[in-house]
Amino acid sequence: NAGVMQNPRHLVRRRGQEARLRCSPMKGHSHVYWYRQLPEEGLKFMVYLQKENIIDESGMPKERFSAEFPKEGPSILRIQQVVRGDSAAYFCASSPSSAGTNEKLFFGSGTQLSVL
Amino acid sequence: AQKITQTQPGMFVQEKEAVTLDCTYDTSDQSYGLFWYKQPSSGEMIFLIYQGSYDEQNATEGRYSLNFQKARKSANLVISASQLGDSAMYFCAMREDHTGANSKLTFGKGITLSVRP
Repeated sequence: NAGVMQNPRHLVRRRGQEARLRCSPMKGHSHVYWYRQLPEEGLKFMVYLQKENIIDESGMPKERFSAEFPKEGPSILRIQQVVRGDSAAYFCASSPSSAGTNEKLFFGSGTQLSVL
Repeated sequence: AQKITQTQPGMFVQEKEAVTLDCTYDTSDQSYGLFWYKQPSSGEMIFLIYQGSYDEQNATEGRYSLNFQKARKSANLVISASQLGDSAMYFCAMREDHTGANSKLTFGKGITLSVRP
């Protein structure tokens, strides 16, 4: 049973370009979360999605950032017109549809975004 | 106020000894869950242990145990018989009941643990 798959593992972009980060949740999981981690910092929540719905986007910047989790295919975190401050590790996590408040999140290995 | 506070500087422990990593939390919910994750240098986040606010017993998972003191709002992780592979960042996290099932985890800033041979 494959875990949470994120790709690419490393992504280099120049300022002004777009970054697309992909996340395939674990089999049977319909809840996806995106987190951002700056060096020497903890994980900061960005957005929580279920299939075709954004449930909580309170941690996501209003501009340039968007996320989707379509009916078919992976979840995508999209950053338009990247700036150097977007350089960070972006983690995706998933949980089962029937989870309760005690359900842990299963994390992917992250995508390291570097903006030149 | 910060939801999860981890203020210890880098921690060092001798191999085979026990170490306690501190975590305090802030919530007005009666029902909540506390989690510890490990992040080795490779970067992945590994779940270690969970404690529910209504659990009467402290959680244990192999060499990991959680010293849960509800009145003090602390959930310290105890690692017994430290191994070199325990060297990593350790994050405490919380899910609050009012945010609902499947809601986000809120993480602390983490603690670096180095195990000396």
